[in-house]
Amino acid sequence: LAKTTQPISMDSYEGQEVNITCSHNNIATNDYITWYQQFPSQGPRFIIQGYKTKVTNEVASLFIPADRKSSTLSLPRVSLSDTAVYYCPIGNEKLTFGTGTRLTIIP
Amino acid sequence: GAVVSQHPSRVICKSGTSVKIECRSLDFQATTMFWYRQFPKQSLMLMATSNEGSKATYEQGVEKDKFLINHASLTLSTLTVTSAHPEDSSFYICSARSAIGSVAGGKNIQYFGAGTRLSVL
Repeated sequence: LAKTTQPISMDSYEGQEVNITCSHNNIATNDYITWYQQFPSQGPRFIIQGYKTKVTNEVASLFIPADRKSSTLSLPRVSLSDTAVYYCPIGNEKLTFGTGTRLTIIP
Repeated sequence: GAVVSQHPSRVICKSGTSVKIECRSLDFQATTMFWYRQFPKQSLMLMATSNEGSKATYEQGVEKDKFLINHASLTLSTLTVTSAHPEDSSFYICSARSAIGSVAGGKNIQYFGAGTRLSVL
């Protein structure tokens, strides 16, 4: 299963755009990239999924370069409620979760 | 997105008792569900893959006789922690795969339940 590497933590002020990058150097050809958000004592919540280039939905954008060895989750105009841990597990059937990035939004 | 319901949300039990956790996919059918465990301040660790109508597949180091998994229908998987001990205290989370919300031609997405906090005294 592919391993991922993310920054352990990030801080940002309310209203700013936040970009979280995930490295997945040994991603397989048939692996998709999925990002999740997890609040304390809750299960992870699906944010966005992509394979390559750019994907956008109502809450985030996902940028994936041509070599697919990394991906960047972009959260526009964050608010205090975006304080959470963000994961980028890679996999086809099974997912391997890395350490995640603890994002703290500062008022 | 798809909805996965997990019950109970919290359970406290005495050492030596067995605890059953239910995971249901509410608006879709799931031939495959997954069970994870998460210790405080740590990431999710996959315990096993639950397959409808067949035996579960356990990850290395997970005792199949201790963590019994049953996937009797396309919408229900159960995890039973048998003879629970304090070291089994953890946050258990299930997930189910669905095509809902996936990109065109994309992979099914794992949707997670809210988790079950197990405390063994």
